[in-house]
Amino acid sequence: NAGVTQTPKFRILKIGQSMTLQCTQDMNHNYMYWYRQDPGMGLKLIYYSVGAGITDKGEVPNGYNVSRSTTEDFPLRLELAAPSQTSVYFCASTWTGDLISNYGYTFGSGTRLTVV
Amino acid sequence: TQLLEQSPQFLSIQEGENLTVYCNSSSVFSSLQWYRQEPGEGPVLLVTVVTGGEVKKLKRLTFQFGDARKDSSLHITAAQPGDTGLYLCAGEGGGSEKLVFGKGTKLTVNP
Repeated sequence: NAGVTQTPKFRILKIGQSMTLQCTQDMNHNYMYWYRQDPGMGLKLIYYSVGAGITDKGEVPNGYNVSRSTTEDFPLRLELAAPSQTSVYFCASTWTGDLISNYGYTFGSGTRLTVV
Repeated sequence: TQLLEQSPQFLSIQEGENLTVYCNSSSVFSSLQWYRQEPGEGPVLLVTVVTGGEVKKLKRLTFQFGDARKDSSLHITAAQPGDTGLYLCAGEGGGSEKLVFGKGTKLTVNP
């Protein structure tokens, strides 16, 4: 049981380049999330999805896009990378029927992105 | 907007000492979770507290949910270097599809 798998683990982008951060979960979780984590700033929600074909913005969506064509995959697309997008990105998932608290979030191990 | 304030932001102690980390809000949460994050890894769920006044123990870690379900604390007894990490609290609001995270407490336990 792999849980949540994120690729790549590290990446350096030049300003203006684009890339896709991959996230796959094998737990049949319905909810999936993308966060970015900057030093001292905690986790900030970028986008989330409550099921295949449904996505919604979090608190910092600008400069990012997502899609959810299957239950398992939730890729995050960066268009026209900027230095402000230098961060560590985490994907998370959970199964929720009535309460998220029943299960908690399962996080991937993160992607460290540097934009130069 | 629901916010969770964690204190202290940083904590550096010697092995064997006790410590308490706090997670406070002006909002009521239906549950609170605590996660630990080690360097280079994603956060890992430690515990969920649901009932006001609830106390849960996980070996040397004791978690408490406030009576009014607005705050929580994490107490570690006889800290060990293996307890080093970032501790995050996260709250679930009624009917919300996502958790609200605090900014975390970075704990360093020195041998």
